Amino acid sequence: GAVVSQHPSRVICKSGTSVKIECRSLDFQATTMFWYRQFPKQSLMLMATSNEGSKATYEQGVEKDKFLINHASLTLSTLTVTSAHPEDSSFYICSARAPPAGGRHEQYFGPGTRLTVT
Amino acid sequence: AQKITQTQPGMFVQEKEAVTLDCTYDTSDPSYGLFWYKQPSSGEMIFLIYQGSYDQQNATEGRYSLNFQKARKSANLVISASQLGDSAMYFCAMREAVSSNTGKLIFGQGTTLQVKP
Repeated sequence: GAVVSQHPSRVICKSGTSVKIECRSLDFQATTMFWYRQFPKQSLMLMATSNEGSKATYEQGVEKDKFLINHASLTLSTLTVTSAHPEDSSFYICSARAPPAGGRHEQYFGPGTRLTVT
Repeated sequence: AQKITQTQPGMFVQEKEAVTLDCTYDTSDPSYGLFWYKQPSSGEMIFLIYQGSYDQQNATEGRYSLNFQKARKSANLVISASQLGDSAMYFCAMREAVSSNTGKLIFGQGTTLQVKP
């Protein structure tokens, strides 16, 4: 099946610094990528939908200036957590939408990035 | 209002037995898709099974089957012959036709399944 990678898998940063997380579709072109945030034992919360070459669409309550999303190519989207604080510590997961295949499963998830802000 | 509801925060099942994980959904869209994902402790999301709202038959994928009851708006996941490796968090998700352009998924709260040896 299609493969989506995320880098880094784990990152620890100091409060006030910025962190960039990359999401790549390795064997297909993804016109749409999604960024989720997940707290322990909780569901995935969609943060934003990222379309190649255009501005991301953020979900209500997600700060655009804090979570910068760039979808520069059909295989790469980045999430930058700016001026990170301990409350930004979380598990961040991206997914990429493959070309439609009869309406069935076409969204592939990356392995996630665990961010810890100290 | 919750669009996807999973009422079982945690479930236990004995190895080799079958288990049903509940999922109910709410939509006024006649066209939608329902998904189940497994998330082990490693965090990766693993796609298990898909059911389209117009599919006539219940979906099956190996040991996984989806008990789709459209009138009751339920899409329960049945795992047969449970294995220790099935211990994980399970998420039900829905994609409505209105969001089909983007592929946006709405997730339920999740159910943690523990398989006992």
